[in-house]
Amino acid sequence: DADVTQTPRNRITKTGKRIMLECSQTKGHDRMYWYRQDPGLGLRLIYYSFDVKDINKGEISDGYSVSRQAQAKFSLSLESAIPNQTALYFCATSGQSTDTQYFGPGTRLTVL
Amino acid sequence: QKEVEQNSGPLSVPEGAIASLNCTYSDRGSQSFFWYRQYSGKSPELIMFIYSNGDKEDGRFTAQLNKASQYVSLLIRDSQPSDSATYLCAGRLTGGGNKLTFGTGTQLKVEL
Repeated sequence: DADVTQTPRNRITKTGKRIMLECSQTKGHDRMYWYRQDPGLGLRLIYYSFDVKDINKGEISDGYSVSRQAQAKFSLSLESAIPNQTALYFCATSGQSTDTQYFGPGTRLTVL
Repeated sequence: QKEVEQNSGPLSVPEGAIASLNCTYSDRGSQSFFWYRQYSGKSPELIMFIYSNGDKEDGRFTAQLNKASQYVSLLIRDSQPSDSATYLCAGRLTGGGNKLTFGTGTQLKVEL
């Protein structure tokens, strides 16, 4: 089945460390997104990309960076992790002709 | 005012009853709306989307859109304990480009 995968699924790290979260998809979608989810705050968009050469900031991009290595791969980096970046991170994809987004299984990140 | 608003709940309904979940949005020109279901610790999964005023039915689920009043709702008939989850409303808002804005979700509890 065409799918969206995320690695790692769980990560515990320390303040100041650099962390990369990876997302891959076999759906053939052009558009990819990174969200974080915190209790009571819902899903908040960090970055999104509509094709390999297109990268856009979302509502909470500070402290994060992304790389779109290929149509199927979109990575999120925390250059210097801090405790308030502890959250559940989701990658999502959508096709060009639809707004429907499909989510990966998520990465639970804990920054100590 | 948040762009997409939902009551956080929890909304409790007895098994077999109709659950009614509501969402309001601030942008009158918003184009399309989505309902996602999210179990605790899992990723959001699409239930249905609606673009036009009126009702759209899919099995036990009915989405209703009223653009004049700027609300969208999800009805779940014959509610089952397995429907207990958080339901996220999302909209493609006029000023938001080709991306979705999510509400914070409503927790539904279906009781035996």
